[in-house]
Amino acid sequence: DAGVTQSPTHLIKTRGQQVTLRCSPKSGHDTVSWYQQALGQGPQFIFQYYEEEERQRGNFPDRFSGHQFPNYSSELNVNALLLGDSALYLCASSFPGTSDSYEQYFGPGTRLTVT
Amino acid sequence: AQKITQTQPGMFVQEKEAVTLDCTYDTSDQSYGLFWYKQPSSGEMIFLIYQGSYDEQNATEGRYSLNFQKARKSANLVISASQLGDSAMYFCAMREGYGGSQGNLIFGKGTKLSVKP
Repeated sequence: DAGVTQSPTHLIKTRGQQVTLRCSPKSGHDTVSWYQQALGQGPQFIFQYYEEEERQRGNFPDRFSGHQFPNYSSELNVNALLLGDSALYLCASSFPGTSDSYEQYFGPGTRLTVT
Repeated sequence: AQKITQTQPGMFVQEKEAVTLDCTYDTSDQSYGLFWYKQPSSGEMIFLIYQGSYDEQNATEGRYSLNFQKARKSANLVISASQLGDSAMYFCAMREGYGGSQGNLIFGKGTKLSVKP
C-alpha cells in the first residue's frame, strides 16, 4: 500500500517565478493538507482540500493556491516566488470520517529553494 | 500567541535510557487532540502517538507514552529504552475542534533528540 507521495523531491526556482508541487494521498484518503516548514521551524498549515474544495486555510497570502482532482491528488501552486518561500513543503493525507483520533500521514516533502 | 511550546531545542540521552520531551499547549477549546511526530533527517513526518482531550488514560504506543496533564496543559512525550535510531527532531502538535471539521495541525518548534551510544 503506497503511502503519500510528493513530486518533485527538490526544486530550485528564481525569485518571481511560479512553481507547482504535486501530492498523491495514501490509498483510501480523501483529504489533503499542505504545510510549509521553514528551516529550523515546525510545519505551518497552508490549506486543506476535501471534495475538490479548499476547506480550511492558514495565514498564507493569495500567492499560494491549490487544487484537488477527482482522484484526490492535489497540487500546490506558488506565484511570484520570494526568497522567503524557500522551505520544505509537506503534504499530508487523511480520512477523517467521524473519528477524532485520525492521523495525518505525511509525505517525504518537496524541498524548494528560491534564489 | 504561541499555541504549542517546546522549550527544549536539543536533548541528549544515553542509549537504553528513558527521555522526556516537554510540550505545553494553549487552547480555549474543550475538544482537541494532541500529537507527537518524529522527523528524521530525511524530512518525512512520522506519527508516534495521539491523546484526545477527553481521554482519561495516558496514551501509550510501544516505547512511546504521552504524559497528559490537562490542568497544566502539558503533553510530554516519554521514550523508554532509547535507541540510536531515535535520534531525530520531535514535534508536538495540536488539532483544535473535533472530528473532521477541524483538520489542521498546529506544530511546536520541535526538539532535536540525540541518542549517544
